[in-house]
Amino acid sequence: DQQVKQNSPSLSVQEGRISILNCDYTNSMFDYFLWYKKYPAEGPTFLISISSIKDKNEDGRFTVFLNKSAKHLSLHIVPSQPGDSAVYFCAASASGSARQLTFGSGTQLTVLP
Amino acid sequence: EAQVTQNPRYLITVTGKKLTVTCSQNMNHEYMSWYRQDPGLGLRQIYYSMNVEVTDKGDVPEGYKVSRKEKRNFPLILESPSPNQTSLYFCASSLSSSWDTEAFFGQGTRLTVV
Repeated sequence: DQQVKQNSPSLSVQEGRISILNCDYTNSMFDYFLWYKKYPAEGPTFLISISSIKDKNEDGRFTVFLNKSAKHLSLHIVPSQPGDSAVYFCAASASGSARQLTFGSGTQLTVLP
Repeated sequence: EAQVTQNPRYLITVTGKKLTVTCSQNMNHEYMSWYRQDPGLGLRQIYYSMNVEVTDKGDVPEGYKVSRKEKRNFPLILESPSPNQTSLYFCASSLSSSWDTEAFFGQGTRLTVV
C-alpha cells in the first residue's frame, strides 16, 4: 500500500505557464515533505521541502503548498521552462523515523517550447 | 566535488551469479541507503545504514545484503540475483538520519538479470 501517491504519471505544460504537480499521503505521522527532480540517466536531486508546521514554502520559481487536513501537497512552478522537463518525485518523512524517505511514483513533467 | 559514486552504471548478468554494486560518498555522511526504482512504484528503500557497522532493512530487503565497514562505502550485494531484481538502483547519503536532512543520490545502476 503506497503511503505517498502521485496520481498523475505525466503532465504537459506550455513554456511560461504554471505547472502544478500534486501529491497525496496517507500516513499521518509524516511531518516533513520534499520534492526531488530527476533527469534521465541521473540520480534524483533535491528541489524544495516543507515542514508540517508550515503551509507554504517558496524558493524562486518553485513553491510547495501543504494542506495537512487533506493530506495533500502540491508543487507549483512559475513560469515553467523547458529545462524543468524531468520526473518529479514527492517524498515524505516522519520525525524519529530512521528509515528516512518514502517516495511517490513520480510525475513526468514536459514543458513545451 | 561532493558526490555519491556508484559502480557499475550498467550491468547485465545471469540468474544466480553473485554481484556487488559499489557506492562511495566523499561527504563524511553518516547515513547511507539503497533504493530501487521501478515503473509505477517510485523509489523504494532496500537497506539503510545509520553509521559504520549499523545496518537495517528498508521496505524491500529480500534478496539483498549490505555491509558498512567504512563510513564512505556502502556496497549492495545480490548473492543470487533473479529476474525480478532487474531494476534501476540508487545509492543515497545524508549527513544524518534526521527527518529534515537532504539526501544526495548517486547516478544510478541499471541492472538486468536474465
